[in-house]
Order: sequence, then structure tokens, then C-alpha cells
Amino acid sequence: AQKITQTQPGMFVQEKEAVTLDCTYDTSDPSYGLFWYKQPSSGEMIFLIYQGSYDQQNATEGRYSLNFQKARKSANLVISASQLGDSAMYFCAMREGRSSNTGKLIFGQGTTLQVKP
Amino acid sequence: DAGVIQSPRHEVTEMGQEVTLRCKPISGHDYLFWYRQTMMRGLELLIYFNNNVPIDDSGMPEDRFSAKMPNASFSTLKIQPSEPRDSAVYFCASSLANREQFFGPGTRLTVL
Repeated sequence: AQKITQTQPGMFVQEKEAVTLDCTYDTSDPSYGLFWYKQPSSGEMIFLIYQGSYDQQNATEGRYSLNFQKARKSANLVISASQLGDSAMYFCAMREGRSSNTGKLIFGQGTTLQVKP
Repeated sequence: DAGVIQSPRHEVTEMGQEVTLRCKPISGHDYLFWYRQTMMRGLELLIYFNNNVPIDDSGMPEDRFSAKMPNASFSTLKIQPSEPRDSAVYFCASSLANREQFFGPGTRLTVL
């Protein structure tokens, strides 16, 4: 069974608009972490944002925020004020268990975002 | 500060040859991960180390793949013998106390 599901293979957004990239996850472990990474066409993987399952507030990092809905098992990435440089592939990932127990990240298939001028 | 360093950046080899990929993690990081990325299978974790000790190698495809971490600043991923289906981008990543992982630029491997 898929542990991380990104249902949008591709998305378009107008420059300066906000965009939401969807991510749902499946785990029975009460302790887990959720990550978003960006992969531009140059190929490197860039860490964007992290949300722990016990965090009370949604994570934010600059223009990135994570809409964490625990009951629905979703961890959507919101990018505000899109820029042309945001065009990239975006991956959602999950780590099960407390950080001291396991390092294994499971990645979704990714969503390609294109920002239109 | 230098990020994760991988070499070579590109490798083209012929089927049957031995391939060695190298990684230098971020100084002070205690976790090191090797991933493979393909169009068909996406990003897959191959193996990871904690304090130079392999913790989980369940993602290593078969006996042709091996990984070592002789010290805290160096790791290798070896494929012997290589096959065309091993063609992929191989990423090394490191983290401190198993928090967010920082990726290297990757090695693009092509096996002819």
C-alpha cells in the first residue's frame, strides 16, 4: 500500500498567486515526521519544511507553510506568492517512529509545479 | 559551509564493469543515506548508516550492491558487476540526529 500519496502529477500556477500541493499519508505509528523537498530541473534535492506529528502548530518557513490535518492524514504544502524559480518537482516524504528509532524516509511520487509569468 | 559532496557527478560505464560512487557528508552529521532515483520507481532508500554503522540495508537491490562507511567523513556505494538497469541518479544525504536530510548533488550513472 502506498504510504505517501501525491495525487497531482502536474500543477500550474500564475506568478504571485498561492498554490497548494497535496500529500496524504498512511501510518499507524502515532509518532512520525513529514517533510517536503523541492527538486528543480538541475536535479538537487532541497529541504523545504518539516512537520512533526506532535507539533501543535502548522509549520511555516518563509513562503512555505504546511497545512497539517492529522485526522485526515494530509500534509499539504502551500506556497504563497509564487515565483518563477518555484517551478520544480516537489516531493512529500514521511519518517515513521521517533527520530531516534529510524531514519528511513518514504517519498511520494512527486508533483511537478510550473509557475507561469 | 560545504554541503554533501558526491563524486563523480556523471559516470558512464559498460555492463559488467565495477562502479564506485563516493560521498562526503556534512561535517558533524551522524546519519548518512544512499538513495536511487529513477523515473519508474521514484526515490528509493538503499541503505543508511548511523555513526558509521549500517542500520538498514533492506533497500539494497541485490548482492551486486554494497556500501561502506569507513569513517565519519566518507562513504562509498559500489556496484559490481553493473547492469543497464542500474542506470539512475544516486543521491547521498546526511543529517544530524536524524532530523531533516540534506542531499548531495547526485551522481548520474549510465550503464551501457
